[in-house]
Amino acid sequence: AQSVTQLGSHVSVSEGALVLLRCNYSSSVPPYLFWYVQYPNQGLQLLLKYTTGATLVKGINGFEAEFKKSETSFHLTKPSAHMSDAAEYFCAVSSNEKLTFGTGTRLTIIP
Amino acid sequence: DAGVIQSPRHEVTEMGQEVTLRCKPISGHDYLFWYRQTMMRGLELLIYFNNNVPIDDSGMPEDRFSAKMPNASFSTLKIQPSEPRDSAVYFCASSLFRVRMNTEAFFGQGTRLTVV
Repeated sequence: AQSVTQLGSHVSVSEGALVLLRCNYSSSVPPYLFWYVQYPNQGLQLLLKYTTGATLVKGINGFEAEFKKSETSFHLTKPSAHMSDAAEYFCAVSSNEKLTFGTGTRLTIIP
Repeated sequence: DAGVIQSPRHEVTEMGQEVTLRCKPISGHDYLFWYRQTMMRGLELLIYFNNNVPIDDSGMPEDRFSAKMPNASFSTLKIQPSEPRDSAVYFCASSLFRVRMNTEAFFGQGTRLTVV
């Protein structure tokens, strides 16, 4: 069965600093991987996804993630954090017909 | 399209009462998912449908929970009787199937259920 592990339930960065949210996956087949963002009192919104092809995936709001098969990782990064990035971020892997989510990482931006 | 629409947004009910949560998926999507989100357990998949047929309900916590999808544009999640531990945010999501589900799932804004 596929699964994802998010390291760090809470991450705090200063405004303008690099954002790095970690996700490792476990999959018996080539995975499809996703990052979703959840703003307070909202549903989940897709940031980016990896299916096939280029391993560096660019998403919305300046986020990107790199699929590294050798490390079974799909870490999310953004070069410069903005106050509006404060939210909860979920990594997910597709398994046949459904998505399995990680436990989430709450990102706090320090002014 | 207005996206996935869930109602109500908030529900407060007394223990023992029946609760019905509603979802209208995006038109044309053939998959519908019900998730529950709590602080303790994160996002859990409860059940999902393909073309209105329940495919996997292994995530439904117990017999008090039931879900239906009578047509392509409507689904319900019912809890009867409700208990305080059912308090959570319930999300509905829909998706248009591609090979091995490489398309995204679109989420509604959720229903925050509080059982007192």
